[in-house]
Amino acid sequence: EAEVAQSPRYKITEKSQAVAFWCDPISGHATLYWYRQILGQGPELLVQFQDESVVDDSQLPKDRFSAERLKGVDSTLKIQPAELGDSAMYLCASSNRGRVSPLHFGNGTRLTVT
Amino acid sequence: KNEVEQSPQNLTAQEGEFITINCSYSVGISALHWLQQHPGGGIVSLFMLSSGKKKHGRLIATINIQEKHSSLHITASHPRDSAVYICAGGPGGGADGLTFGKGTHLIIQP
Repeated sequence: EAEVAQSPRYKITEKSQAVAFWCDPISGHATLYWYRQILGQGPELLVQFQDESVVDDSQLPKDRFSAERLKGVDSTLKIQPAELGDSAMYLCASSNRGRVSPLHFGNGTRLTVT
Repeated sequence: KNEVEQSPQNLTAQEGEFITINCSYSVGISALHWLQQHPGGGIVSLFMLSSGKKKHGRLIATINIQEKHSSLHITASHPRDSAVYICAGGPGGGADGLTFGKGTHLIIQP
């Protein structure tokens, strides 16, 4: 079964450094989501893409976070500079077009900022 | 802002027991997703429903639209069912605009 690929699996970085995460959704999935999940909480949406366009980035801290999906396929989420409070699991998910398409998640990137 | 509340937060049971996890949601949510998250972090979509009941193997999900309440049931629970179960609600039938609950941490002891 096709999967959403994410890398790296784990990332440890010092505060004030830059960090980037990569996601490759299931082939043909037009919608891509980046979520942040703090330990003990549910995921929270950071940004949603429809093809190469941003549909929702209302919860993305734009002073330090950026996301792109240049060709409407894979996507990169960047944090610069990282802060201690950014330590969390960063999850990528994709879904197909249509109102009843389920979410398919990657395994996530666990970020620790020291 | 949409809200999703899950209960219980933690649940420990013995193998074979019937498990129920509850989810209440606010006005504005018309479809519910049930998700399973294993310790490694990966999340699997179990069900999407906007009415009635769905069944897959030993898992059953129900939704009561009038009461804005959904339940996930596990019959004949097994240690491999141990995971975090997350309820998420959205305004439509798809995955846009989801509000996630905090999850129910389920442990099934042999």
